[in-house]
Amino acid sequence: EPEVTQTPSHQVTQMGQEVILRCVPISNHLYFYWYRQILGQKVEFLVSFYNNEISEKSEIFDDQFSVERPDGSNFTLKIRSTKLEDSAMYFCASRETRTGFYNSPLHFGNGTRLTVT
Amino acid sequence: SQQGEEDPQALSIQEGENATMNCSYKTSINNLQWYRQNSGRGLVHLILIRSNEREKHSGRLRVTLDTSKKSSSLLITASRAADTASYFCATDISNFGNEKLTFGTGTRLTIIP
Repeated sequence: EPEVTQTPSHQVTQMGQEVILRCVPISNHLYFYWYRQILGQKVEFLVSFYNNEISEKSEIFDDQFSVERPDGSNFTLKIRSTKLEDSAMYFCASRETRTGFYNSPLHFGNGTRLTVT
Repeated sequence: SQQGEEDPQALSIQEGENATMNCSYKTSINNLQWYRQNSGRGLVHLILIRSNEREKHSGRLRVTLDTSKKSSSLLITASRAADTASYFCATDISNFGNEKLTFGTGTRLTIIP
């Protein structure tokens, strides 16, 4: 069964450094998402992406964050200057059709654990 | 207040028993979905119930939805040790241009062999 893949599985970085988290969504999916989960807490929405632009972003997704689909397969999340509080699991997800109207589920990757020291 | 809150936060039962988890939400929804997360892994979609549906089954899973009470329940029958995981409800309240699922706080289920 096709799956969403994320790399790396674990990233350690120093505060203030830039990180890029990478995702390869399922190939025929059109909608892409980043979520994060701070250890032991709920899964929080960061951003949704469709047709090469951001559809919606949360208040967490400030100017330090950006997303890109540089080619036909990769979907990346960049954090420009990491803070200690950015330490979390970051999950990429994709879906085939539009939320709500077609009622399709999200397919998640296994996540990247980001540790900011 | 949260859009999705699961109850209980943690549940331990003996293998073979049934496990029931509840989810409450605040706003009108298009659908409600349940996901499972094994420790340190991604979320896996279990079941989706539309706002005009009241009950849905998938294998050992049964989901109910009461839109008047803004609540849902997930029942896992004949639990197995492999069902040990965290379970999250997620609500889809999207309109065009508002594309996201909002996850609840999760129930951590432990099945005791």
